[in-house]
Amino acid sequence: DIQMTQSPASLSASVGETVTITCRASENIYSYLAWYQQKQGKSPQLLVYNAKTLAEGVPSRFSGSGSGTQFSLKINSLQPEDFGSYYCQHHYGTPLTFGAGTKLELK
Amino acid sequence: QVQLKQSGPGLVQPSQSLSITCTVSGFSLTSYGVHWVRQSPGKGLEWLGVIWRGGSTDYNAAFMSRLSITKDNSKSQVFFKMNSLQADDTAIYYCAKEGVADYFDYWGQGTTLTVSS
Repeated sequence: DIQMTQSPASLSASVGETVTITCRASENIYSYLAWYQQKQGKSPQLLVYNAKTLAEGVPSRFSGSGSGTQFSLKINSLQPEDFGSYYCQHHYGTPLTFGAGTKLELK
Repeated sequence: QVQLKQSGPGLVQPSQSLSITCTVSGFSLTSYGVHWVRQSPGKGLEWLGVIWRGGSTDYNAAFMSRLSITKDNSKSQVFFKMNSLQADDTAIYYCAKEGVADYFDYWGQGTTLTVSS
């Protein structure tokens, strides 16, 4: 199975800051990488797929990049609603696997 | 709009089975697959399996022997069943609609399962 390693595990930031979360795949997954946001007590929500394509309705302050084994999610000018947990997931065929998550907290 | 609504029990005894129904609207099960994912504090998000639009299934090898996913296209329902539950199966179980390529663009509200006697 493809292992997804996500970092950092937690991150403290202030409103207005820019943050970057990284995800590394254990083998080449080309651009088959998705990112999700999850708020406490809610289901995950799709942010990005195919490494850099924003899902419908996702603000442009979110951006995804990378290919092969190294990927990142960047959030510009953090807003209060951006705090929560973020997960990467490869979508290069089954079995699908997720990163362990990054908890983004308000400093 | 696209919705996935889950129904199922919240408490199951060890060795018993879990059955969850995922009722979808806003899309056809003959056009998109539905995946199942669970989330627990200890293991994070785990992909369990999928029923594809054509009716075939793929399962996580770790669960293959005790997992079954079926569907009724006419009722827009997907049925999830996991047998021989143990305490470490305690988790939130989600159904999710596939996007164009094996990512999940819509999720159910989740079914919180506790396995306990």
